[in-house]
Amino acid sequence: AQTVTQSQPEMSVQEAETVTLSCTYDTSESDYYLFWYKQPPSRQMILVIRQEAYKQQNATENRFSVNFQKAAKSFSLKISDSQLGDAAMYFCAYRSTNRDDKIIFGKGTRLHILP
Amino acid sequence: DGGITQSPKYLFRKEGQNVTLSCEQNLNHDAMYWYRQDPGQGLRLIYYSQIVNDFQKGDIAEGYSVSREKKESFPLTVTSAQKNPTAFYLCASTPRGGGTQYFGPGTRLTVL
Repeated sequence: AQTVTQSQPEMSVQEAETVTLSCTYDTSESDYYLFWYKQPPSRQMILVIRQEAYKQQNATENRFSVNFQKAAKSFSLKISDSQLGDAAMYFCAYRSTNRDDKIIFGKGTRLHILP
Repeated sequence: DGGITQSPKYLFRKEGQNVTLSCEQNLNHDAMYWYRQDPGQGLRLIYYSQIVNDFQKGDIAEGYSVSREKKESFPLTVTSAQKNPTAFYLCASTPRGGGTQYFGPGTRLTVL
C-alpha cells in the first residue's frame, strides 16, 4: 500500500525568507500524481501545486516550487519570499493514475510565518 | 461559478440523533469523497463514490452512511452509531480520469 510521510509536524520561517517542507512517499507504481495542498485557518483545502511523475521537470507556481526526486521518492515544497498569508497547514498527497484509486494524504506540516 | 458547496457550515447535534451533511458539485466530476478531520490531524477517508449508485467504504466508515443518487450530490449521514462524531467534515471531487482533487469549504459538526 502507498504511504505518504511528512516528518516535520511544525516549521517556522521569517517573513521574506525561503522555507522547504519535506515529503517522502512509498509506492511500487511508476506513474502517479503528487500534490501539495494548503489549509489556512479558514480550513478550506487549496491546491498549491501538482506534479505528474512522468514529468522530469519540477513544477512551479509563482513563489511555490517542488523538488521531485523520483528515485528517492521525495517531493519537497519550497516557498520563496514567505508571506504572512502563507501561514497554514500543508499536506503532501499521492494519487495513482488508476482512476479508481483514492488520494493518500500525509499528516501535514504546520507552517508559521514570523513577522 | 463552478465549485463544491457544503451545507451547513456549522451543525449541532444531540447525542442519539442522526444528521445529514450536504455536498453538491457542479463541476461535472465523476468521483466524490468524504473526509473527516480532527483538530491538528490529517484527513481520514470515510466513503467515496466513483459513479452514480455506487460507493465504497474508506478507512473509517463505521457509523456513517452515504448515497449517490445523482452525479452532483453525495450526502453523508452521521448516525447515532458513530461514537465520536464531533469533527470537521470535508467533501471533495475529482474529474473523469482522476488527477487533482478539489475540496468544498467543509462542515463543522458538534455533538452537544
